[in-house]
Amino acid sequence: DVKVTQSSRYLVKRTGEKVFLECVQDMDHENMFWYRQDPGLGLRLIYFSYDVKMKEKGDIPEGYSVSREKKERFSLILESASTNQTSMYLCASSLLSPKTSGGPLGTQYFGPGTRLLVL
Amino acid sequence: GQNIDQPTEMTATEGAIVQINCTYQTSGFNGLFWYQQHAGEAPTFLSYNVLDGLEEKGRFSSFLSRSKGYSYLLLKELQMKDSASYLCAVREGYDKLIFGTGTRLQVFP
Repeated sequence: DVKVTQSSRYLVKRTGEKVFLECVQDMDHENMFWYRQDPGLGLRLIYFSYDVKMKEKGDIPEGYSVSREKKERFSLILESASTNQTSMYLCASSLLSPKTSGGPLGTQYFGPGTRLLVL
Repeated sequence: GQNIDQPTEMTATEGAIVQINCTYQTSGFNGLFWYQQHAGEAPTFLSYNVLDGLEEKGRFSSFLSRSKGYSYLLLKELQMKDSASYLCAVREGYDKLIFGTGTRLQVFP
């Protein structure tokens, strides 16, 4: 089974703090994604990466950065946390090339999420 | 532009059948996914359609009409554990999924 883990389930931070959210997947997936999920807005893509050291902006990258130094790990960084970044953050991974997979190519597998509260 | 529409909420009774619709307008189309998400948990993959027609997986089926930009998820023999949000997502290109806002389904005894 694909396993995607996130470093924390719950985080409380103060405005202006630098926040690191870590995501690790164990299935050798090329693609990794960071989303935030807010009521009424659904899942919105922040950044994604299709290879080590590669990154692409999603729909709402402002106020965030990412790092992918190893294939299995994708980090989301809030440079200076603000209250409007209070949200549920979900990491996902998927295969880029055809390999044995539990689902069709492109299926994204999600971590359990990190609920971040910025005070 | 990109637009994926689903009803916000639906209710149904245990043992019944429910159909959750999804309409989409996207710049590219390379398949449509349905995910289930229980409250406070991660979305999990349910089904995938890339060609027109019906895909059946046990109690769950998903239908796609590409010409109409329309899909539905059909849940049969509803159980209490089916109470969850159901997310429709369109795959653009090889990588990205564009998600709808989700349909919250409540199943009552």
